[in-house]
Formats: sequence, structure tokens, C-alpha cells
Amino acid sequence: EVQLLESGGGLVQPGGSLRLSCAASGFTFSSYDMSWVRQAPGKGLEWVSGIRGSGVGTYYAGSVKGRFTISRDNSKNTLYLQMNSLRGEDTAVYHCAKSRRVGATYEFDYWGQGSLVTVSS
Amino acid sequence: DIQMTQSPSTLSASVRDRVTITCRASQTVSTSLAWYQQKPGTAPKLLIYQASSLESGVPSRFSGSGSGTEFTLTISSLQPDDFATYYCQQYTSFPLTFGGGTKVEIK
Repeated sequence: EVQLLESGGGLVQPGGSLRLSCAASGFTFSSYDMSWVRQAPGKGLEWVSGIRGSGVGTYYAGSVKGRFTISRDNSKNTLYLQMNSLRGEDTAVYHCAKSRRVGATYEFDYWGQGSLVTVSS
Repeated sequence: DIQMTQSPSTLSASVRDRVTITCRASQTVSTSLAWYQQKPGTAPKLLIYQASSLESGVPSRFSGSGSGTEFTLTISSLQPDDFATYYCQQYTSFPLTFGGGTKVEIK
């Protein structure tokens, strides 16, 4: 059974940093591209960042480029999102999501339940 | 960036109604289009990928169609479990983008 479990969220002040983790199980983690998708309270879905299965090849939304860094440790089956220079508009539930099939494709068949990040003073 | 526009934003319907949601892309996405269902407090669920392919385990009352810039999600006979918010997503190019969502409410 595929499972994705996020951790690392919490309350942080504007300008602060936070690192999210997503522990994956139930599939060959290194074979699949992964993404982070966020949802601000009461709002829609926003793709944040994606990474190739090998870890070589990363992609970002314009709103986070230069501030967030996606990475993965395939030996630990874990996806990360390092978030720096956080702003109020980064407040959201952050989901990790698995691409449906092997290769550079980005429709998501499994999602974690999400980790809430609140940026406030 | 490719903008995805869904309509309507809210839809009121009754059980057994036929429901259609539209998604328009600001430029062609070919058939790299997915549909998701989301219920409050839960993660999105993949319904349709490649514009018209039904994800495994999804009831056959859900169907998708379209290509290029115009897409539809149809629920042939709305069931109580289908009241939720639906999102389209293009994955032809980065940044990936979602539509604003369509909330299907009980009439």
C-alpha cells in the first residue's frame, strides 16, 4: 500500500525557515518523480515544486523560485522541501504527491494528508 | 504560464443529475490534463488522467473528454458521495497549474 507521510510543518515568523519531509513507502521511490502541492486556507490547489526520480532535475513555481529547494534521499525514501524567506502568503497545507507513472509525467495518483505551515508574527 | 479556467465555480445539483464541469486552458495542453476530486479536510483524489482515461477504482459514472484547450468532466448520475470540489490540472509544461475548482453542492 502506497503511503506518503509529511512532517515538519508549524508556526514560523516571516523571514524564517522550515524544512518539510515526506516519508514514502509501498512503491519503488527512486523510480517516480515527486512534487509538493500546497493549498492556502479556503483556497485552491497550487503546485509548488517537482523533482525527477533520480534527483537530477528540479522544477519550481515562480512564487517560490529562489526561496524554496526541493530534494530527495532515495536511500531513505524521503522527499524534502526547504523553505527559506517565508512570507504570509506561504501559509498553507503542503502535500507531497507521487507521479502516476515512471517517467517525466506529472499527474498525481497518491497524495499525503498534508503538513500545515503557518507564517505569522 | 498556462492558465486553467474552470466553470462554473459552484454548481447546485440533485442526486441522479447529469453534471458537466468545463476546464479551459490559455494555450494548448494536448491531452495532458487530469481531474481530481477533493472533500473537505482530505487530500485530492485522481479521477481522470490523459484527459479521458479513468483512474483505477474510480466509478464509471465519471468521464473526461477534450483535447487542446477545452475539456469536460462529466458525472453521468450524481451520487451522494460525489458532492465535493473538483479541480483540473495541466501537466504539459512547467509550472504545472490547476484550475480554480468547481464546488458541487446539494440542490
